Amino acid sequence: QVQLVESGGGVVQPGGSLRLSCAASGFSFSSYGMHWVRQAPGKGLEWVTFIRYDGSNEDYADSVKGRFTISRDNSKNTLYLHMNSLRVEDTAVYYCAKNGPSGYDCYFDLWGRGTLVTVSS
Amino acid sequence: EIVLTQSPGTLSLSPGERATLSCRASQSVTFSYLAWYQQKPGQAPRLLIYGASSRATGIPDRFSGSGSGTDFTLTISRLEPEDFAVFYCQQYGTSPLTFGQGTKVEI
Repeated sequence: QVQLVESGGGVVQPGGSLRLSCAASGFSFSSYGMHWVRQAPGKGLEWVTFIRYDGSNEDYADSVKGRFTISRDNSKNTLYLHMNSLRVEDTAVYYCAKNGPSGYDCYFDLWGRGTLVTVSS
Repeated sequence: EIVLTQSPGTLSLSPGERATLSCRASQSVTFSYLAWYQQKPGQAPRLLIYGASSRATGIPDRFSGSGSGTDFTLTISRLEPEDFAVFYCQQYGTSPLTFGQGTKVEI
C-alpha cells in the first residue's frame, strides 16, 4: 500500500525541540525528493522544506531557516524533520509529502495524514 | 517570492453547476509549473492538476486546469456532492514554493 505515515507531534514549550518522522511504504522511497508542508489551525498550506532523493540538497522556507533541519534515511524509508527553537507560530499540522516524478516536479503527489505540533507554554 | 492570489474566497454553488476558480500570480510562473489541490475537512490535500493542465492519476475528467504566465483557472464542469471542499493552487517554478490562500466551494 502506497502511503506516508507521520509521527512525533505533540505539545512543546516555546524554545523547545521536537523531531518528526515520516515512514514511507509502497514505493521506491530512495528515488524521490520529499517535502514537509504545514497548516496552522484554520489556515492555509505553507511549504516548509525539501530534500533531494539522495539527501544531497535541501531547501527551506525563510520562516524556518536556521531552526529546522530535514534529513532522510533511505535504508529505513524514513524522512525526518528536526525542529529547534520552536515558536508559538510554528503550531500546525505537519504533513510529509512526496515530490513528483522528476527533480523539477516539485508538486506533492502523495501526502501523509499529518501530525499536530502545538507550541505553547 | 511569488504570491498567489485565489478568487473568489468562497463560491456558493449547487450540485450539477459549473465551478470556475482563479489563481493569479504576482509574477510569471516558470514553465506553467502550477498545481491544484483539493482538501476536505480533517483530511490531507489531494493533488488534482499539475503542469497547469495535466490531471493527476485517478482524477475525474470533470476537473480541468488551464492558463499560463500569471493567470490560471481550475474548472469543475459539473459539481458532484463530494467535490465541495477547499481548493489551493501552488507554484513550483521558483523557490520558495508557494500556495494560494484557498477557495472554498460550498453548497
